[in-house]
Amino acid sequence: DQQVKQNSPSLSVQEGRISILNCDYTNSMFDYFLWYKKYPAEGPTFLISISSIKDKNEDGRFTVFLNKSAKHLSLHIVPSQPGDSAVYFCAASNQGAQKLVFGQGTRLTINP
Amino acid sequence: NAGVMQNPRHLVRRRGQEARLRCSPMKGHSHVYWYRQLPEEGLKFMVYLQKENIIDESGMPKERFSAEFPKEGPSILRIQQVVRGDSAAYFCASSPPGQAFYEQYFGPGTRLTVT
Repeated sequence: DQQVKQNSPSLSVQEGRISILNCDYTNSMFDYFLWYKKYPAEGPTFLISISSIKDKNEDGRFTVFLNKSAKHLSLHIVPSQPGDSAVYFCAASNQGAQKLVFGQGTRLTINP
Repeated sequence: NAGVMQNPRHLVRRRGQEARLRCSPMKGHSHVYWYRQLPEEGLKFMVYLQKENIIDESGMPKERFSAEFPKEGPSILRIQQVVRGDSAAYFCASSPPGQAFYEQYFGPGTRLTVT
């Protein structure tokens, strides 16, 4: 039962353009959503998060959008830089569970 | 301020041996979580611990796996009688006490290979 889904295993974007990573979820009890970035042989690094009471959160080049009715969130990176090449994981949680449920990840490649 | 520490980084075990994975949380963090990542998959929750207490072990396999977070020392994930299917990356995460548990900070992982 995959409660958090990232349907695109990979994405390739030209440097300077916008990268959009998508994530869908099925559990309506989730009330907090996070994006993590992971380089090979390293642990995931927290990027940005959003509470279910908001529909947008912005931090520098990163913006996360939440559409609760569609149970969909997306991460926008603009402008994309070569150092953004990594695997991005979407994760969700709810206050009662205190554990993160991860998607399968999307491998982002930024081309010069 | 050191991050989450995990050791060893790589561990090779033969089938039937025991594997012990260690995790030291960030300073001031009292919550520890273990996750497992199989090849080409996302991270899957295994267990959530606080000092001397297992809070949620709903993701732990029923047999051969155990975890502890003693009053002193690191958290330990123990896998007895390892099998090939246990080969994976095991990540530990920690979070501070209170409401900030959503933002979990991950260690570099231990890559377990069972031969």
